[in-house]
Amino acid sequence: GAGVSQSPRYKVAKRGQDVALRCDPISGHVSLFWYQQALGQGPEFLTYFQNEAQLDKSGLPSDRFFAERPEGSVSTLKIQRTQQEDSAVYLCASSLGYLGGNQPQHFGDGTRLSIL
Amino acid sequence: KNQVEQSPQSLIILEGKNCTLQCNYTVSPFSNLRWYKQDTGRGPVSLTIMTFSENTKSNGRYTATLDADTKQSSLHITASQLSDSASYICVVSASGGYQKVTFGTGTKLQVIP
Repeated sequence: GAGVSQSPRYKVAKRGQDVALRCDPISGHVSLFWYQQALGQGPEFLTYFQNEAQLDKSGLPSDRFFAERPEGSVSTLKIQRTQQEDSAVYLCASSLGYLGGNQPQHFGDGTRLSIL
Repeated sequence: KNQVEQSPQSLIILEGKNCTLQCNYTVSPFSNLRWYKQDTGRGPVSLTIMTFSENTKSNGRYTATLDADTKQSSLHITASQLSDSASYICVVSASGGYQKVTFGTGTKLQVIP
């Protein structure tokens, strides 16, 4: 498809397990973002990639969170030793230009992560 | 700390009526402001984007205004439709090197017949 694709759509894991969330951005988009959205809240910034370079990871809540985009296209957000407070929707967005431009961010539909 | 506040938190209106959603921000230095529509279970979709020099931007029945002096924006929806039921999120970007975006918590709009 032409949009941002995220998989899986839903993920249920037991506390302590590791999870990996995938984002396929729109082809050719330079910028890629990960956000965490709690129920009834707006998205919270996690990390930003410009091509394969992770320029900002200041929003990652702990060192259990790790993101990569090794070839400048597909990105993976990994959460190790999951905790119940990690339960949220994880949104990925991509943008055609660099973050300094005014192009809109195109969002995927997110991965809903539930930690039991 | 950069903040974006939206009001009201939720709103119920009758189909066909107009409504206005508010956004106040303290993001500095300001780069641009965007309004997004987020349907339940979906990702946000961009409605409008405005830079410092733009006062108003329209997208169909959606009209956004920006007052950069008072750091306020509004989103006006005309002749509401049932499909307008969604959360509307105000997003403000700061400039400098590369931008960081700050999201509001959204206004949840319900349009009823």
